[in-house]
Amino acid sequence: DAGITQSPRHKVTETGTPVTLRCHQTENHRYMYWYRQDPGHGLRLIHYSYGVKDTDKGEVSDGYSVSRSKTEDFLLTLESATSSQTSVYFCAISARDTIYEQYFGPGTRLTVT
Amino acid sequence: AQSVAQPEDQVNVAEGNPLTVKCTYSVSGNPYLFWYVQYPNRGLQFLLKYITGDNLVKGSYGFEAEFNKSQTSFHLKKPSALVSDSALYFCAVRDIGGNMLTFGGGTRLMVKP
Repeated sequence: DAGITQSPRHKVTETGTPVTLRCHQTENHRYMYWYRQDPGHGLRLIHYSYGVKDTDKGEVSDGYSVSRSKTEDFLLTLESATSSQTSVYFCAISARDTIYEQYFGPGTRLTVT
Repeated sequence: AQSVAQPEDQVNVAEGNPLTVKCTYSVSGNPYLFWYVQYPNRGLQFLLKYITGDNLVKGSYGFEAEFNKSQTSFHLKKPSALVSDSALYFCAVRDIGGNMLTFGGGTRLMVKP
């Protein structure tokens, strides 16, 4: 999976608790992305980053925040998890912007009960 | 707003037969188009992309796709399907000047021996 790791790979949490997912890359790529995958919806962009401390919202950013303090790490935080945030979360990287192909991590399966 | 449609939830084909997975798109200008494949419990893998130039694009694992501007389509094709091609396929689009990739809902390809 192209030098991308995600942690944890599986998590079950309760409604209202904070959750942080981590994406780590060893490729030194500038762009990093967080997507969620839900049946029938394909992948939807949550947030992305175009450099350290440079982030922007995607299509479904409500209820999520991100941080990028180092090139290699991109964190996704659910401040107060809800059942609608049960999903599979994928991190992706690309050397430049979206004209270039993205490489995806293995995913994190999050269940909010 | 840009959008992608994959009209078939599932495509069934016999091994050795040609396969086509359909994708149509809508963007405000010229598109950048991508195909990705997802195997079970894995992240997405890049197959091929159209940026400009020749309308027939060749990619990984013997796949190719044809860009048709008048029909706003970018169908994925392979002359002879393999059982190992069975997976979930996603089409994605970005318009020039945009900064987000929009994915279709995915098409499951089943290749029967």
